Amino acid sequence: EAGVTQFPSHSVIEKGQTVTLRCDPISGHDNLYWYRRVMGKEIKFLLHFVKESKQDESGMPNNRFLAERTGGTYSTLKVQPAELEDSGVYFCASSLSWGDNENYGYTFGSGTRLTVV
Amino acid sequence: QKEVEQNSGPLSVPEGAIASLNCTYSDRGSQSFFWYRQYSGKSPELIMFIYSNGDKEDGRFTAQLNKASQYVSLLIRDSQPSDSATYLCAVRSAGNNRKLIWGLGTSLAVNP
Repeated sequence: EAGVTQFPSHSVIEKGQTVTLRCDPISGHDNLYWYRRVMGKEIKFLLHFVKESKQDESGMPNNRFLAERTGGTYSTLKVQPAELEDSGVYFCASSLSWGDNENYGYTFGSGTRLTVV
Repeated sequence: QKEVEQNSGPLSVPEGAIASLNCTYSDRGSQSFFWYRQYSGKSPELIMFIYSNGDKEDGRFTAQLNKASQYVSLLIRDSQPSDSATYLCAVRSAGNNRKLIWGLGTSLAVNP
């Protein structure tokens, strides 16, 4: 079984540019999450998809961040325009469908390290 | 006050010893508790979860939960150098909200 795949693994962009991160969850996992870890800080929740619907986007920092999950498969997270404080590691995670044992943890992707200069 | 607190360490133990990692949380409504291990430059990997008061054992790992004290711990018996990593505590609140609240992590070094 393939794991959660994220692309790119690293991205260095200039302030003001646009970057799009992609996440392919484990096949059959309806739940998809985006998290971010800024250096020296805790991992922070960004948003949660159930299939193609946004279940919870309370962690999205501002309207420069746009997440989509068309068709309920892979997801993209676009940052436009990027600011210096957006630098960090963006993790995607997926889990089984709603109604499963909610105590299951997530399976994480390897993350995208974003550096805004 | 942070929602999930962990001692950042580093915690250093000799090979074969018991490593004890601790975590406290502020939300009394929290229902599920997770321990993840993260090697440098890698993604977090789930080790254990616990949701009932008491102990839960899985191989060399034991998770302990005390909801009254809002405290969860992870014991690693017979520590190995390969256990050297950052251990992250994560907490999920009650209800339909499935997001995890994370601690900063404790760095563990197991010395041969």
